[in-house]
Amino acid sequence: NAGVTQTPKFQVLKTGQSMTLQCAQDMNHEYMSWYRQDPGMGLRLIHYSVGAGITDQGEVPNGYNVSRSTTEDFPLRLLSAAPSQTSVYFCASSYSIWLADTGELFFGEGSRLTVL
Amino acid sequence: AQRVTQPEKLLSVFKGAPVELKCNYSYSGSPELFWYVQYSRQRLQLLLRHISRESIKGFTADLNKGETSFHLKKPFAQEEDSAMYYCALGGGFQKLVFGTGTRLLVSP
Repeated sequence: NAGVTQTPKFQVLKTGQSMTLQCAQDMNHEYMSWYRQDPGMGLRLIHYSVGAGITDQGEVPNGYNVSRSTTEDFPLRLLSAAPSQTSVYFCASSYSIWLADTGELFFGEGSRLTVL
Repeated sequence: AQRVTQPEKLLSVFKGAPVELKCNYSYSGSPELFWYVQYSRQRLQLLLRHISRESIKGFTADLNKGETSFHLKKPFAQEEDSAMYYCALGGGFQKLVFGTGTRLLVSP
């Protein structure tokens, strides 16, 4: 049981390039989300999904796209990378969409992205 | 708006000393609060939730609605407690809002 798997673990991009961070979970979780972690700013929600075909914006969605075609996968796309998107990205999933009740997110190991 | 404040970036204590990691929140509804922990080279994971009123690894946290606080406490710190701790607020049911985190360093 792998849990939440993110790829790649490290990536360096040039400004303007596009890329996709992959996230997959094998726990049949309905809820999936992407956070970015920056020094002094904690974890900020980018996008989330409560099921296949359903996505919504979080606190910092600009510059990112997501889709949820299957329960297992929730890729995060950077359309035109900017230095401000240099960060560590975390994918997380939950068995319940009602996070206010359960609060339990299962996190991936993180993807460190540098945009030059 | 929902907000979580962790005023300390770093808390350094000696082994055996008491620990209190501060967390204050802002939320107009009935809050659901959690503590997450990230040990070195490990994934971020849930430590405890206020609704469970549980003690995990010797840590407890009490919700004080009057002071809008959810401080994490442990009477005797251990070196293995050294980690990054995040307080989180369940806002809007489908989102968790995290604080900026406090790094706890327990020295021998």
